[in-house]
Amino acid sequence: EAGVTQSPTHLIKTRGQQATLRCSPISGHTSVYWYQQALGLGLQFLLWYDEGEERNRGNFPPRFSGRQFPNYSSELNVNALELEDSALYLCASSLARYGNTIYFGEGSWLTVV
Amino acid sequence: GDSVTQMEGPVTLSEEAFLTINCTYTATGYPSLFWYVQYPGEGLQLLLKATKADDKGSNKGFEATYRKETTSFHLEKGSVQVSDSAVYFCALETGEYGNKLVFGAGTILRVKS
Repeated sequence: EAGVTQSPTHLIKTRGQQATLRCSPISGHTSVYWYQQALGLGLQFLLWYDEGEERNRGNFPPRFSGRQFPNYSSELNVNALELEDSALYLCASSLARYGNTIYFGEGSWLTVV
Repeated sequence: GDSVTQMEGPVTLSEEAFLTINCTYTATGYPSLFWYVQYPGEGLQLLLKATKADDKGSNKGFEATYRKETTSFHLEKGSVQVSDSAVYFCALETGEYGNKLVFGAGTILRVKS
């Protein structure tokens, strides 16, 4: 069974541009999560989508946004990129809202130059 | 708010040595607790979990026991291998539906042959 898959693996963007990262959850999982792993800042919760709705977001500015599609895949958009947005962005999925184990993908490396 | 504190690394051990990585948490209620592992250049993998007090999670020779009285979830392994070299993250679930993970800062483990 395929795990959580993310694309692209690496992405290089210029400051001020927009980045789009994509995620496909494990088959049958309806919840998708996004985390940021920036150097020196650890793993920070970004967003949680369930059944197509944004259910929770972390302490990030509005230029971090995303959506979940009817097939439960998701994309994360980062607008007006700043140098400090350079990080590993991890997508994760779980079965449903109520406390099921969260499984992570391999991540997408975003470098802003 | 909820938080996780891990021992700082890096931890450097010789092969076959005993491993302990300390983890303590602060949370309201009794959240599920997790250990995730991140191998170089990869995403997070769930290593083990415990959902209630006195539960012991185990996997691949690693163990951790949910200690409510000391609010701890220390990771142990009796005999480490070079292949165990990775970053280990302790985490707890939080949020209204228990779907947000709060991570510790991570502990780098280096095992020498």
